[in-house]
This record gives sequence, C-alpha cells and structure tokens, in this order.
Amino acid sequence: EVQLVQSGAEVKKPGESLKISCKGSGYSFSTSWIGWVRQMPGKGLEWMGVIFPSDSDTRYSPSFQGQVTFSVDKSISTAYLQWNSLRASDTALYYCARHGAGFQNWGQGTLVIVSS
Amino acid sequence: EIVLTQSPGTLSLSPGERATLSCRASQIISSTYLVWYQQKPGQAPRLLIYGASSRATGIPDRFSGSGSGADFTLTISRLEPEDFAVYYCQQYGGSMWTFGQGTKVEIK
Repeated sequence: EVQLVQSGAEVKKPGESLKISCKGSGYSFSTSWIGWVRQMPGKGLEWMGVIFPSDSDTRYSPSFQGQVTFSVDKSISTAYLQWNSLRASDTALYYCARHGAGFQNWGQGTLVIVSS
Repeated sequence: EIVLTQSPGTLSLSPGERATLSCRASQIISSTYLVWYQQKPGQAPRLLIYGASSRATGIPDRFSGSGSGADFTLTISRLEPEDFAVYYCQQYGGSMWTFGQGTKVEIK
C-alpha cells in the first residue's frame, strides 16, 4: 500500500525557519515526482511545485520560487519543504502528494501556523 | 501560466440529481494532463479522473470525465450523499502545473 506520512503540526513565529517532512512507503520513492500543495484556511488548492527524488530535479511555481525550498533524502524515502523566514501569510495546510497520472496519493497534511 | 476556470462556483443539488462541472483552460491543453480531484472537509484531496476521462482506482462509475482542447467536464450521474464535496481540476502539462479554483457541490 502506498503511503505518504507527513510530520506534525507546527506553530512558529514570524522570521523563524521551518522544515516539514513527507515520508513515502509502498512504492519506489526515487522514481515518482513528489509535489507540494498549499491550502490556506477556507481556500482552494495551490500548486507549489514538484521534485523528482532520483536526481532532485525541481520545478517551482513562480508564486513560491525563492520563498521555499524542496529537498529529498532518498536513503530514508523522505521529501522536505523548507522555509528560511516564515511570514504570517505562510499559515496554511501543506500537503505532499505522489504524482503518477495526477497526484495519485496524498499525505495527511501538515498544518503550519505562523503567529507572533 | 495556464489558468483553469471552474464553473459554477457552487452547485446546489439534491441527492439523485445529475451534476455537471466545468473546467475551462486559458489555452489548449492535452487531455492526457487534465485530472479531477474530490475534497471533503477535513480530508486530503482524492484523485477521481485522470487523462480527462479515465477513472482512478476505486472510483464509482457514476463519475465520468470528458472534454478536449480547452473545455473539460466532470459529470456525476446520480448524486449520492457522500458526493457532496469540493471538486478541483488540475493540469500538469509543461513546467507549471495549476489547479482550478474549485466547485462546491452542496445539498439543496
């Protein structure tokens, strides 16, 4: 069974850094794109970008380019989403998802709250 | 950037009725790269349709997708109580993937 398990909820202050994780299992982690999707409170889905674990080829949405960083650790089948300096507007639910023909499998989401 | 516009924003229907949801792209896209998702409150999205018209694993046959070029449709033939949710289309051609803004199907 394919599973994506994300790290737990985070409460941070503006300006702090954060790295959340997404661990894949039940499939060949290196050979499927992993995407990140933001959902702000009460809003729709926003595509942040994707990373290909085999070679770390990365594509960012222009809206998120320079604001976040994707990375992977193939040895532990885990993808990461990182911020160097959080803002209140980063408060949202963040999903990772495995891409096949579309995002076939989703993590449970990581809630990030940024508040002073 | 390809913009996907979904209509209507909200669809108010009764169980047993037919739902027709539209997704229009700002330019022609390959139907291969057009998918639909369902999202219920408090849950992650679920893939319903890929390649514009193929049902994902485990999706009931009351869900169907159609369309080509820049106009795509998701049809739910007879709404079941569990189908009331938000539906998103997405395209993933090229280096920039995008979601539509969603259509909420609510109980009338």
